[in-house]
Amino acid sequence: GESVGLHLPTLSVQEGDNSIINCAYSNSASDYFIWYKQESGKGPQFIIDIRSNMDKRQGQRVTVLLNKTVKHLSLQIAATQPGDSAVYFCAENIVGSNYKLTFGKGTLLTVNP
Amino acid sequence: EAQVTQNPRYLITVTGKKLTVTCSQNMNHEYMSWYRQDPGLGLRQIYYSMNVEVTDKGDVPEGYKVSRKEKRNFPLILESPSPNQTSLYFCASSLAGVGYTFGSGTRLTVV
Repeated sequence: GESVGLHLPTLSVQEGDNSIINCAYSNSASDYFIWYKQESGKGPQFIIDIRSNMDKRQGQRVTVLLNKTVKHLSLQIAATQPGDSAVYFCAENIVGSNYKLTFGKGTLLTVNP
Repeated sequence: EAQVTQNPRYLITVTGKKLTVTCSQNMNHEYMSWYRQDPGLGLRQIYYSMNVEVTDKGDVPEGYKVSRKEKRNFPLILESPSPNQTSLYFCASSLAGVGYTFGSGTRLTVV
């Protein structure tokens, strides 16, 4: 089965609220993680990445947290906007896997006005 | 603009008729990969290429071929398409396994 999974398949939030999307991974050899956003009819769009030697990384309105102890990854979106509505995927790269990304199933984020 | 370009965006074909989906990137990336996306199954890797003339199977390679004669191009070939290859296909490229830029996708229907 997939080594990358998501706790919630759907998430609905109010505009302006913060969103948290979670992801669990099972392979302790994973050393690189990426969050992607996919809007309807489009390809996955890179949001933010993090290496296993870090536990937090911030971008514009987004923060990724990595907890290697419990093999958990989260994406926090601050002040969620309607344009953030999309499916969000986490992906992991395992050391020695020839750069292969293993994707989770995705979480659908819906932002209500 | 740095991008991965796939063609065509949409394709309807009949069982057994050979087809090629093209993929080109302008970022001088060594690594390229093909994925298919199916409802409930997420994105699964079909084939990947570490560099020119270096290709290898991903998780679901059956029924597909690829080639990497030039760094920028990585076409996906379906020699004899079948209905179970109806899917949304994405090409991606990366520089040393960082970032991964995806194309806009090719929606293939095999009837």
